[in-house]
Amino acid sequence: EAGVAQSPRYKIIEKRQSVAFWCNPISGHATLYWYQQILGQGPKLLIQFQNNGVVDDSQLPKDRFSAERLKGVDSTLKIQPAKLEDSAVYLCASRRTSGSHNEQFFGPGTRLTVL
Amino acid sequence: AQSVTQPDIHITVSEGASLELRCNYSYGATPYLFWYVQSPGQGLQLLLKYFSGDTLVQGIKGFEAEFKRSQSSFNLRKPSVHWSDAAEYFCAVVLYGQNFVFGPGTRLSVLP
Repeated sequence: EAGVAQSPRYKIIEKRQSVAFWCNPISGHATLYWYQQILGQGPKLLIQFQNNGVVDDSQLPKDRFSAERLKGVDSTLKIQPAKLEDSAVYLCASRRTSGSHNEQFFGPGTRLTVL
Repeated sequence: AQSVTQPDIHITVSEGASLELRCNYSYGATPYLFWYVQSPGQGLQLLLKYFSGDTLVQGIKGFEAEFKRSQSSFNLRKPSVHWSDAAEYFCAVVLYGQNFVFGPGTRLSVLP
């Protein structure tokens, strides 16, 4: 089966610009996550979707970050306006359901550089 | 506070040598435990997981991990490291009904 797809793979922008990332999870996976991975750190959860509803966005900086999963399949994460500290790899992951036994499958990530 | 620690930021081993990567957690209950590997420019790949039962679990690529409740640890081991094992390794924990929490990672370098 196809894995989690993400695009673009790399993005360079200047601070105060906006940027959007796209994720297509594995077919049939109801749960989708966006993580932020700053260099030298582990992934940090930004937002979790169950189908097209938000389950957990407690760590999403809502003044500048937004995410949606309108049809319960693919998802977009947007940053507007970007700050220097947003430079990171943004990982998308999906699971069949949110049950704790289920494995998360990760996409290759989008590396964002904010200048 | 709940946390996941990986005490070693960077480890260097020679090819063919044994490897142990440490992971400790601080939770009130025993969480589900995972080890992931991340090669440069790639997403995370699951190596192995522990939910219950036998405390020694086998994973892919010749890795194994041992859960020790008394030490709140879940250390990853491999008897003979290959050059292709050079990567970043992340320990992760999940409490029932909650989301994954990842450790800071350990970078493994392998000398020829």
